[in-house]
Amino acid sequence: QSVLTQPPSASGTPGQGVTISCSGSSSNIEKFAVNWYQQVPGTAPKLFIYDNDQRPSGVPDRFSGSKSGTSASLAVSGLQSEDEADYYCVAWDDTLNGRVFGGGTRLTVL
Amino acid sequence: EVQLMESGGGLVQPGGSLRLSCGASGFSFKDHYMDWVRQAPGKGLEWVGRIKNKFGKYATQYAASVRGRFTISRDDSKNLLYLQLNSLNSADTALYYCVRDTPSGLDYWGQGALVTVSS
Repeated sequence: QSVLTQPPSASGTPGQGVTISCSGSSSNIEKFAVNWYQQVPGTAPKLFIYDNDQRPSGVPDRFSGSKSGTSASLAVSGLQSEDEADYYCVAWDDTLNGRVFGGGTRLTVL
Repeated sequence: EVQLMESGGGLVQPGGSLRLSCGASGFSFKDHYMDWVRQAPGKGLEWVGRIKNKFGKYATQYAASVRGRFTISRDDSKNLLYLQLNSLNSADTALYYCVRDTPSGLDYWGQGALVTVSS
């Protein structure tokens, strides 16, 4: 059972928009920045969103992050087949004194 | 170019020990915190722990699941990060990633070292 809760799966057709949620608590998401990672199966994770809503260079602007209270979201607009991957949210937790990951969401482009 | 390369993975019996190493290049290793993150086969990512830099007094922090069994250390003179794994059990079977830690997050990841705990 992950400390941060994500839906196990999400899907959409090419061109559609999809949002992935990440639910936490007052000891993690509410206090600390949320990052998102993309992992294509068989490869190492890649930082996709940092500081809640910032995109590293090279990440398409079709991806956006947001945070409100104890929850965060990753939104993808204009889905493309290359977006198929697992997405993980992560934040620091000051009760556990460590980083906590969500369980991951498998995004499928139908 | 930032590069992180793990080594030392392998098959170990339950109750056994193993030491993973991570060689870093392309950045000022001594200035960065470094983390280990693992991923069991077919499962999600799990933070293992981190070690701060010299300014942070090389302090370490660990996930509850490994605290007391795993130890993170570093050799800044050799740009090496280590993970000592003791009292291993089947739940520790995973791909172990070495990761650079920055104020913006875990930004560079190695390709991972596979640890398999089995008799």
